[in-house]
Amino acid sequence: DTEVTQTPKHLVMGMTNKKSLKCEQHMGHRAMYWYKQKAKKPPELMFVYSYEKLSINESVPSRFSPECPNSSLLNLHLHALQPEDSALYLCASSRGDEKLFFGSGTQLSVL
Amino acid sequence: AQSVSQHNHHVILSEAASLELGCNYSYGGTVNLFWYVQYPGQHLQLLLKYFSGDPLVKGIKGFEAEFIKSKFSFNLRKPSVQWSDTAEYFCAVKGFQKLVFGTGTRLLVSP
Repeated sequence: DTEVTQTPKHLVMGMTNKKSLKCEQHMGHRAMYWYKQKAKKPPELMFVYSYEKLSINESVPSRFSPECPNSSLLNLHLHALQPEDSALYLCASSRGDEKLFFGSGTQLSVL
Repeated sequence: AQSVSQHNHHVILSEAASLELGCNYSYGGTVNLFWYVQYPGQHLQLLLKYFSGDPLVKGIKGFEAEFIKSKFSFNLRKPSVQWSDTAEYFCAVKGFQKLVFGTGTRLLVSP
């Protein structure tokens, strides 16, 4: 299994909603990542988890809350988002310094 | 912190033309370099990577890239492009835990 699976594929939410994005990998990778990609822009790093601990937070607003319940799962909890947070949210995993495997992403629209 | 710049934002080629996309990076430590491709509506896929050794690396689909340390460059090449190469191409550099992408080059290959 060389896949990173993200659910849901699409999400529409209001500014007062609470929702969660999920990411799963079974490759034994101990590093997992959240990226945000706006249309026609490169992916921007948000968070890095290493061995289930948050190691990098790229000054992301607190309305985005990551969680790593175990070595295979990575969640991104969303609360009180703004319309400008609408984007493609990508999860990735890697075995240390090797290449990142990306999921297909969750296309998020905030109304 | 590492950074990546891609000089060409849009490239339009005819089928069978040769391709070279520029990438320059800056980082004070040991870098791992990557080219990723994003086909329309699809997730990021790794084309090739450089960690060490032979500076000329070959990837999938006939792509290759050359690492020139003195120029801090990692340009992507393909001798003869096909219509199916139409996509967005991202150069990326990985320092400690962080993979940072360039702004991307949108390639359009006309049949």
